[in-house]
Parts: sequence; structure tokens; C-alpha cells
Amino acid sequence: QLVLTQSPSASASLGASVKLTCTLSSGHSGYAIAWHQQQPDKGPRYLMKLNNDGSHIKGDGIPDRFSGSSSGAERYLTISSLQSEDEADYYCQTWASGIRVFGGGTKLTVL
Amino acid sequence: EVRLVESGGGLVKPGESLRLSCAASGFTFSSYSMDWVRQAPGKGLEWVSSISSSSSYIYYADSVKGRFTISRDNAKNSLYLQMNSLTAEDTAVFYCARDKKPFCGGDCPDAFDIWGQGTMVTVSS
Repeated sequence: QLVLTQSPSASASLGASVKLTCTLSSGHSGYAIAWHQQQPDKGPRYLMKLNNDGSHIKGDGIPDRFSGSSSGAERYLTISSLQSEDEADYYCQTWASGIRVFGGGTKLTVL
Repeated sequence: EVRLVESGGGLVKPGESLRLSCAASGFTFSSYSMDWVRQAPGKGLEWVSSISSSSSYIYYADSVKGRFTISRDNAKNSLYLQMNSLTAEDTAVFYCARDKKPFCGGDCPDAFDIWGQGTMVTVSS
């Protein structure tokens, strides 16, 4: 079964960096994912598509502070030089024929 | 500007029906698969349904199968979701989203690269 697992929460200080993790279920380590950001009371926003080799394609206007990487079944989103507007929920998403799947989301707090 | 705008949400009673619409602009709508995603209050994102560019491939989450019907009108650049037999568990913000890969004639799932702002559906007696 295709499942994505995320930690419910993370925190980091203003100006620091944070690395969020999304883990693919067993047998699905080769899958690409996407990262989406949802700021409070807003709709989701596409950040990037992240392949299993770590290559990624960011959405239009996404700052260089956002980057992605991969290792085995883990997919990472790193945000550097944290700003107050980065405080948001972050969701990973993957897909297969007939199904699309979201992780449970990580709530990022900027201290 | 690439844009998706949902409409049709509102307050309905359990067992009633509602039809959501999503108007697309700024891109060649007929070239992309489209999806509906929902988010219950205080909860995460849940994929609801997907439709390929030519409507040949249609999929539903188990939670809505048999009650919801997705459709599209490429001439009107519009996506729809007909929701029947609604229950309180269907209360959510509903978003339409575009699959990233264009010009796919079949089922070509991909990242959701464009999202609408959402429309709220409340099911309550």
C-alpha cells in the first residue's frame, strides 16, 4: 500500500534552516513526490516535484531558499534562512495509476 | 495568469446533493488531467477524484466511490464534482488541482502544480 509518513510538527528559529522528512512506504522507494506549502487560512501551493535521485523541479516563483533531496525512501524539503512567512503546513504528495496520496502534513513553527 | 477558481459550495443537509465547479484559465485546459482534493476542518489534505484530459480515465477515493461523480467540459474550461448522499463526514474545503504533466492521452498521474483557492462544503442538519 502506497503511504507517505510525515512528522506532525517541526520548529526552527528565524534565519535558521530546517529539514522536513517524508517517508515512502516499503516497496515504493523509487517514487517521486511533490512538496506543497499551506499557509494559515490559504489554499495549498506547489513547491516542487522531487525525484528519487534528488533532482527537483520547483514551481514558478519559489525562492532558492527551498530545496529538495532524497535518500532511499526518504524525501526531504530543506528551507534555509527561515522567514516568518515560512510558518505553514507542509504536505508531501505522491501518485500511481488510479491513486494519489498525501502525507499527513508537518506543521512548521518559526520561533 | 494560470488560475483555478472553485464555486458551488454551501450548507446542505445530510442526504442532499451539491455540484461543485472549477473554472480554469491561463492554460490549455484540455491538455491536463485534473483532480479534486478536500480538507476537513483542522485536518490534512485528502485526494477525492481524478479525471484524465479526455475523460477516459476516472478514479475515486474509496470514501466517495459511488456517491461522487467527476466530469469536465473542455469547451468550457471547466471541471465539476457532483456530490450525492452527503454526510457530515463530507464537510470540508474542496480544492481543484491540475496534474503537472500535459499532453498525456491516458492515465498519467503527476504532481499537482496548480491549486484553486477552495470552496467550503458544510453538511449539517
